[in-house]
Amino acid sequence: NAGVTQTPKFQVLKTGQSMTLQCAQDMNHEYMSWYRQDPGMGLRLIHYSVGAGITDQGEVPNGYNVSRSTTEDFPLRLLSAAPSQTSVYFCASSRGTGASNEQFFGPGTRLTVL
Amino acid sequence: QKEVEQDPGPLSVPEGAIVSLNCTYSNSAFQYFMWYRQYSRKGPELLMYTYSSGNKEDGRFTAQVDKSSKYISLFIRDSQPSDSATYLCAMRIPNAGGTSYGKLTFGQGTILTVHP
Repeated sequence: NAGVTQTPKFQVLKTGQSMTLQCAQDMNHEYMSWYRQDPGMGLRLIHYSVGAGITDQGEVPNGYNVSRSTTEDFPLRLLSAAPSQTSVYFCASSRGTGASNEQFFGPGTRLTVL
Repeated sequence: QKEVEQDPGPLSVPEGAIVSLNCTYSNSAFQYFMWYRQYSRKGPELLMYTYSSGNKEDGRFTAQVDKSSKYISLFIRDSQPSDSATYLCAMRIPNAGGTSYGKLTFGQGTILTVHP
């Protein structure tokens, strides 16, 4: 199993550009989520999905869109990049949301918006 | 005030030392508690989880939860250079709905360095 994979590893954007961060998992997990990690802030939930075709907002959703057309993939779209979106983005997946359902994290995408 | 506060560190200890990492929280609805380890330029990986007050041991690691004081700790015995990483506490509300569904609330992380 590859687990959770994310592409690209690094990205530099100019303000106003759009892009899609890719996330895929091969564990047949129903629950997938996107977090951003900023210094001194821990990880904060952006969007999540409980299955194909079902998505919802997390704590900091503004400026981001998601879709879930398959169980495996959960891309995150930045509509019009802003410097405040400079961060490290992590995708995570789990079988469910119970206490024993471990969330597996991908290796992250480091995004810089100039 | 943040819902979860973690001692920011950084911590630098000699090999073999006992390490104590701590988090406090303000929301009594948190019932699931986790510790994640994050190596540099990697994603977090689950180290331990618990949902009851008291201690839980796994090898050199002990997770401690005190719900009455809203305080959790992770102890590392006989620390090794390979333990050098950022440690993140995380917690969750069971059966939460809306924007909190499945959400993990993280502390800020503590950078630990164990030197030989």
